[in-house]
Amino acid sequence: ETGVTQTPRHLVMGMTNKKSLKCEQHLGHNAMYWYKQSAKKPLELMFVYSLEERVENNSVPSRFSPECPNSSHLFLHLHTLQPEDSALYLCASSQGSSGTETQYFGPGTRLLVL
Amino acid sequence: DQQVKQNSPSLSVQEGRISILNCDYTNSMFDYFLWYKKYPAEGPTFLISISSIKDKNEDGRFTVFLNKSAKHLSLHIVPSQPGDSAVYFCAASAQDSGYALNFGKGTSLLVTP
Repeated sequence: ETGVTQTPRHLVMGMTNKKSLKCEQHLGHNAMYWYKQSAKKPLELMFVYSLEERVENNSVPSRFSPECPNSSHLFLHLHTLQPEDSALYLCASSQGSSGTETQYFGPGTRLLVL
Repeated sequence: DQQVKQNSPSLSVQEGRISILNCDYTNSMFDYFLWYKKYPAEGPTFLISISSIKDKNEDGRFTVFLNKSAKHLSLHIVPSQPGDSAVYFCAASAQDSGYALNFGKGTSLLVTP
């Protein structure tokens, strides 16, 4: 596997379910990101991890809980989501976490909350 | 408040012609700009970037122009090819604030044969 991979690619869940999204990067990068893309909206940054420490949380509701066990893996744990959380969730990684680092994206998880 | 704007949701260009995609930004602290390309069912792919110390960066058929006084950048694709049909996102960041890429909503480019 190369680049950034995400699983699952599609997920349908009820509002009472608990699920997790997984991201893995094979690029030797030190920073990882979760983005949300809703219909007709720009990508929104949710979380940033640099060297496995969370460095930014853009006021994301607590029903989204990230986890970064090592520099290659990033999870997004989902709990009691709302229908408006239905979106494409993208993971990205970069070598460093300064503003000029190119971020490389995974294919995304298309989430539908019923 | 959206700091990066792509005001054209879609653009259609004939094969072989020039495609010009535009992007405006409001934050004067932005000093690094990127273009990403996205095909359906795939994540965005990095295309080209430019630092605020330059006004032009070229990579093959792709050229990005930056006009800092107008807070405007554009991506030129010459010649356009059908495989260029995708959604193009403009993104900007400020080195001092780190981390965050601020994205526009994207422009869907269709290159017709």
